[in-house]
Amino acid sequence: GAGVSQSPRYKVAKRGQDVALRCDPISGHVSLFWYQQALGQGPEFLTYFQNEAQLDKSGLPSDRFFAERPEGSVSTLKIQRTQQEDSAVYLCASSLAMWGGRGDTQYFGPGTRLTVL
Amino acid sequence: DAKTTQPPSMDCAEGRAANLPCNHSTISGNEYVYWYRQIHSQGPQYIIHGLKNNETNEMASLIITEDRKSSTLILPHATLRDTAVYYCIVGATTDSWGKLQFGAGTQVVVTP
Repeated sequence: GAGVSQSPRYKVAKRGQDVALRCDPISGHVSLFWYQQALGQGPEFLTYFQNEAQLDKSGLPSDRFFAERPEGSVSTLKIQRTQQEDSAVYLCASSLAMWGGRGDTQYFGPGTRLTVL
Repeated sequence: DAKTTQPPSMDCAEGRAANLPCNHSTISGNEYVYWYRQIHSQGPQYIIHGLKNNETNEMASLIITEDRKSSTLILPHATLRDTAVYYCIVGATTDSWGKLQFGAGTQVVVTP
């Protein structure tokens, strides 16, 4: 079956614009994660969903970042009033189990590269 | 703060085994050791994970020391397609939502 898909793959925004990044997880996967990866660094956790419930948003860098997963499948990460420091690759991952723990595997999408001018 | 320490880079000859070390001296009893890799411009890819015992799958072997303070990922026959950044991650099993705390990883370059 299909893996995790993300769209768009590339997004260029002018500073101050709002953007929406989409993640389609693997069908049936309960857990969904968003990560942010700056150039030359490892991914950093942003937020976690178990089905439609957002159980951890401790990694969201500011209140300009908002994520949702209203029907427990597709998720959208929205960034309002984008700033240059938001430029990064945004990665989505899904896993079958709750919590994504107990040794469960997270499957990553290809990411969306956001460039804020 | 990163819970693991890895060398920033290493080279490996094609066809030879690649041994990637990782130190995780503060690992807790219920934390797994995970390995992921990231090929340029792609999302991270799961390789293997373990708790206490050594593990092997079709991609690699994971050797965890008895005190669990360090581990080694072994790619038995490296190919050019194994060139990637390799991340060693420790994570709680039940109380952290499974979020992965990536460090800087090891850039592995496989040469012909």
